[in-house]
Amino acid sequence: TQLLEQSPQFLSIQEGENLTVYCNSSSVFSSLQWYRQEPGEGPVLLVTVVTGGEVKKLKRLTFQFGDARKDSSLHITAAQPGDTGLYLCAGATHSLQGGSQGNLIFGKGTKLSVKP
Amino acid sequence: NAGVMQNPRHLVRRRGQEARLRCSPMKGHSHVYWYRQLPEEGLKFMVYLQKENIIDESGMPKERFSAEFPKEGPSILRIQQVVRGDSAAYFCASSPVDRDQETQYFGPGTRLLVL
Repeated sequence: TQLLEQSPQFLSIQEGENLTVYCNSSSVFSSLQWYRQEPGEGPVLLVTVVTGGEVKKLKRLTFQFGDARKDSSLHITAAQPGDTGLYLCAGATHSLQGGSQGNLIFGKGTKLSVKP
Repeated sequence: NAGVMQNPRHLVRRRGQEARLRCSPMKGHSHVYWYRQLPEEGLKFMVYLQKENIIDESGMPKERFSAEFPKEGPSILRIQQVVRGDSAAYFCASSPVDRDQETQYFGPGTRLLVL
């Protein structure tokens, strides 16, 4: 069974602080996606990383895909109250035939609270 | 561009009734996925469909649950004879045809409450 472990599970910080959340697995993924979900809403896609070692930046958010494509991290610089939410990572795998499996494997998420 | 649309957003059913959840994918997307999110749990894959075809239903419970994506109209997730344990948020996602299939865009979800 493929699992994605996210840590920490909860994180409460003050506005302006930096933070990193992690997404780890013993499985290799062909790509990994990060989403943010707010209460009562669906996950909103932040980024997709595909290549081992890839780093993508989205304003104050920096995403990294591990060299072995088994893990990923999300770093937020100078967090703001608007960053509050549930951050989810999700991995995709390829089938034996080479195409995408279709389904995403989700971690349980990191619940971030940024206090003003 | 309209995103993935789901309705209803909230659905209340009594035990034994049927629940029908609808999903319209983003324009130009022909791959649809259904996920279920239980309280304090991560999203769990249920089924993957393309137009008129079920590609992977490995995450669907064997009984009472079915899904379709007809040639015309939205994808439907149907739950027959609902039980309290079916109470959850059900999310639909879509992805484009034959391009970047692994990136999935999610709808706002349907919150099902079974009384």
